[in-house]
Amino acid sequence: EAGVTQFPSHSVIEKGQTVTLRCDPISGHDNLYWYRRVMGKEIKFLLHFVKESKQDESGMPNNRFLAERTGGTYSTLKVQPAELEDSGVYFCASSQDRGFYEQYFGPGTRLTVT
Amino acid sequence: AQSVTQPDIHITVSEGASLELRCNYSYGATPYLFWYVQSPGQGLQLLLKYFSGDTLVQGIKGFEAEFKRSQSSFNLRKPSVHWSDAAEYFCAVGAKAAGNKLTFGGGTRVLVKP
Repeated sequence: EAGVTQFPSHSVIEKGQTVTLRCDPISGHDNLYWYRRVMGKEIKFLLHFVKESKQDESGMPNNRFLAERTGGTYSTLKVQPAELEDSGVYFCASSQDRGFYEQYFGPGTRLTVT
Repeated sequence: AQSVTQPDIHITVSEGASLELRCNYSYGATPYLFWYVQSPGQGLQLLLKYFSGDTLVQGIKGFEAEFKRSQSSFNLRKPSVHWSDAAEYFCAVGAKAAGNKLTFGGGTRVLVKP
């Protein structure tokens, strides 16, 4: 069974540009989460999808961040326009659809905004 | 609100020695507790979890953790460390009431001396 995959693994962009991160969850996992770790800080929750619906987006920092999960499969996280403070590692995780199951994490996308 | 504290940012241990990583959490009810490990260049891997029942939990790679409600702690232990255990370790807490999102501690980086 394939794990959670994320693309790209690294992205370097200039301030003001747009970047789109992609996450493919484990097949059959309805729950998809985005987290972020900025340098020197703890990993923080961004948002949670159940299938294609946003269940909780309380962690999204501002309206420059837009997450989608069309069709309830893969998800994208777009940052537009990117700012320096957006640099960090963006993790995606998925879990099964009943109860509270452990979340399986992808390898992360390291985003550097210069 | 949930919070997690990992008091030790770095720990250096000799290969073959024992290891204990501390984790304290704050949450009103009994939380779900997790330890994840991130090896260099890798994503987050679940080491073990506590949902209920026996307070001593066995995980992968020879790790174990003990839930102590009275101390609000969930410390991770390994009796004999291997060089491959050099990594960053994260304690996390989750709860159904919080929508299953995870709250992470700041992480503890473990260095293993030969």
